[in-house]
Order: sequence, then structure tokens, then C-alpha cells
Amino acid sequence: EPEVTQTPSHQVTQMGQEVILRCVPISNHLYFYWYRQILGQKVEFLVSFYNNEISEKSEIFDDQFSVERPDGSNFTLKIRSTKLEDSAMYFCASSAGRVGETQYFGPGTRLLVL
Amino acid sequence: AQKITQTQPGMFVQEKEAVTLDCTYDTSDQSYGLFWYKQPSSGEMIFLIYQGSYDEQNATEGRYSLNFQKARKSANLVISASQLGDSAMYFCAMLDSNYQLIWGAGTKLIIKP
Repeated sequence: EPEVTQTPSHQVTQMGQEVILRCVPISNHLYFYWYRQILGQKVEFLVSFYNNEISEKSEIFDDQFSVERPDGSNFTLKIRSTKLEDSAMYFCASSAGRVGETQYFGPGTRLLVL
Repeated sequence: AQKITQTQPGMFVQEKEAVTLDCTYDTSDQSYGLFWYKQPSSGEMIFLIYQGSYDEQNATEGRYSLNFQKARKSANLVISASQLGDSAMYFCAMLDSNYQLIWGAGTKLIIKP
């Protein structure tokens, strides 16, 4: 069964460093998403991406965040200058469509900023 | 504003019993979707079941069913014949008008042997 994959599974970084989280969505899906979950808190929407551009983004997704689809398969989230409060689990998701379509999640990348 | 409320922070259930996890939602949209996801201790987010607001029948997927009461704005998840492997966090989520998933705080379910 096709699935969303994410790498790395865990990343530890120093505050102020740049990190890139990678995702490979399900191959025939057209919509891609990033969510984050700070430990013990709700899952929060960050951004959605379609047709090589951002469709929607939340207030969390400020100038230090960017997303990219550098090739036909990868979908990346870059955090330019990490802060302590960026420590969280980051989930990538993809869906075939938007209306009523299930978003399938990857296993997540656990980011720890020291 | 759209909102999902899960009032049960934690539940203990005996193995093989049925369990109902509560979820209420608030939206002014006429068309929306409701999802349940399972998050085991390993952290991944696993899709369980989906209910569209215009679906007249309650969704079912194996041991999972969704008790959808539109007038009451509730979408409770029912797990029949619970198993030890069902122990996990369970999240209710709603696809809002911006096609973002809005999440509840989750319910931690522990199945006792």
C-alpha cells in the first residue's frame, strides 16, 4: 500500500541553525501539507501546497519557514533559523484532492532544538 | 471559528469491550469532513475513518464506526471489541473551509488486559 515517507525520523539541532525536513508524498497525490505537534499539544496546521505553490498557510508559518518541491517526488520544509520553540513533531501529509479527501500522514520527524 | 472538542483526556477500557470516544465540532460551513486518526506511542498519525457532512449513513471501517449526529454536531468514534493494540492517542479532526485539518486535543485510550 502506498504511504507517505519522511526523513529523518529524528533531528537534533542547535538554535539558529537551518534544518530541512524531507517528505515523499504518495505518488499520485496532488496536495501536500505540513503540520506540527508540540509535545503534549494539539496538532497544528502549517501550510498546504498545490501546483508548486502555497495554497494556504497558518500564522505559525512565518518568514523563517519555507516549502519546496525540488523534484517530482520530494516535498521539503525548511526552517531557516531554528528556535527552541520549534521543537516538535513535524508531519507531512498528502491527499489526492481537497474536498472530502483523506490526508494521509507520514511517520513524522521529531525535531529537537537545543 | 471552527473548533473541535474532545472532552475525554483519557479512558481506560477492558479488552474486548466496546469504547466510544467523544468528539463535538463547531462550524458554520455547510460542507465539511470529519476524520479520526490514531497516534500510537511511536508517534505516527494513522488515518482511521472519514465522515462527510452530506453522508447520510454513518461511516464504518472494520471495527471502527463513526456515530455522526449532525444536528448535535457530534462525531463520536466507536471501537468494537477493543484490543490491546488499540491503546493510543485518538484525534478527531475536521477539514475546514480552507481545506486545513483542525484538530481536537485528543483522547488517550488505554486498553486493560
